[in-house]
Amino acid sequence: EAGVAQSPRYKIIEKRQSVAFWCNPISGHATLYWYQQILGQGPKLLIQFQNNGVVDDSQLPKDRFSAERLKGVDSTLKIQPAKLEDSAVYLCASSLGQGSEKLFFGSGTQLSVL
Amino acid sequence: KQEVTQIPAALSVPEGENLVLNCSFTDSAIYNLQWFRQDPGKGLTSLLLIQSSQREQTSGRLNASLDKSSGRSTLYIAASQPGDSATYLCAVRLNTGKLIFGQGTTLQVKP
Repeated sequence: EAGVAQSPRYKIIEKRQSVAFWCNPISGHATLYWYQQILGQGPKLLIQFQNNGVVDDSQLPKDRFSAERLKGVDSTLKIQPAKLEDSAVYLCASSLGQGSEKLFFGSGTQLSVL
Repeated sequence: KQEVTQIPAALSVPEGENLVLNCSFTDSAIYNLQWFRQDPGKGLTSLLLIQSSQREQTSGRLNASLDKSSGRSTLYIAASQPGDSATYLCAVRLNTGKLIFGQGTTLQVKP
């Protein structure tokens, strides 16, 4: 079974530039999550989708971050413009539903903002 | 507001030792609790999931316990090996589906 796919693996940009990350969840998984993990900290939820609808985006900095999940499958997360404090690993995860199922994570995109 | 804390932040043990990692949470109204492993530069791998009605789960050398009333979970690793070296994260799932992580415990098992 294929896992959660993310790209790119690494990205280096200058502040005020834009960047986009892509995630393809495990086939059949209805719930998709984007997490931000700053070095030395646990992952923090940015946004949660159920199919193509947003369930929770309370911690998404909406002035600069946006995310979409067209057709309820792939998802993209965009930052525009980036700030130095956005340097982190962006993790995508998926699960069958919002219930008791385990989460499966991708390898993440490591973003460095210079 | 639910907060998840893991102590210690780092742990170093000789190979073969049994060890316990701790996780505490402030609100006992959880749906389940999950333990993850994270290797450097990698994503998270689910190790064990304990439903709110359960007390423990076991997988090989790993045993996770849950005490909702006291807001605690432990991950017990038996006969540790150098390959167990990684960061271990616990996360509680709220009834809304949201998963809240602790900051992790970085384990080093020395040969």
